[in-house]
Amino acid sequence: DVKVTQSSRYLVKRTGEKVFLECVQDMDHENMFWYRQDPGLGLRLIYFSYDVKMKEKGDIPEGYSVSREKKERFSLILESASTNQTSMYLCASSLSSDSARRVDFNYGYTFGSGTRLTVV
Amino acid sequence: AQTVTQSQPEMSVQEAETVTLSCTYDTSENNYYLFWYKQPPSRQMILVIRQEAYKQQNATENRFSVNFQKAAKSFSLKISDSQLGDTAMYFCAFRPPNSGYALNFGKGTSLLVTP
Repeated sequence: DVKVTQSSRYLVKRTGEKVFLECVQDMDHENMFWYRQDPGLGLRLIYFSYDVKMKEKGDIPEGYSVSREKKERFSLILESASTNQTSMYLCASSLSSDSARRVDFNYGYTFGSGTRLTVV
Repeated sequence: AQTVTQSQPEMSVQEAETVTLSCTYDTSENNYYLFWYKQPPSRQMILVIRQEAYKQQNATENRFSVNFQKAAKSFSLKISDSQLGDTAMYFCAFRPPNSGYALNFGKGTSLLVTP
């Protein structure tokens, strides 16, 4: 069964700390994504990556950075955590368009189960 | 940028009844993909149904079906014979055709199925 694993389900950090959120997928997917989910705002894209060492900014990249050193792992980094970064963070992965066309046009995402981060 | 609008923040339906969740989107693309995702209290996002824009036939998955109106840029989800386990947040999402492009999500509709 395909899987996206996020390292922590709940996390509490202090203001100013450097925070690492880890995401690992075992499906050999090319694309990986980080979203944050807030009530009434839905899912907003922070960063995504379509290949190893490649990254693209999403809609709300400020205060975040990412790292993708290996295909299966995509890390989200909060350089200096602030209280307005308290949120649910969701990682997802997907096939590239070329790969998806070979697999019944499966362009959907597979999501992790989320990390609820509280910054105090 | 493409936008996805879900105009119903909350909905309620009785068990065994039918409910329709609305979604509209804005794009200049001709070929794209649309999805409905379900997020139950467990927080795990689950793909419910997907639709390719070039297909005129509406997608169906068991009790879930869509009404895809390309000209109107509308993509509603119909849940028939609602079950208590359908209680969840439902997100409509849009994906352009190019490799690496991310999904754009609506703000979600919270659906409560009551006995």
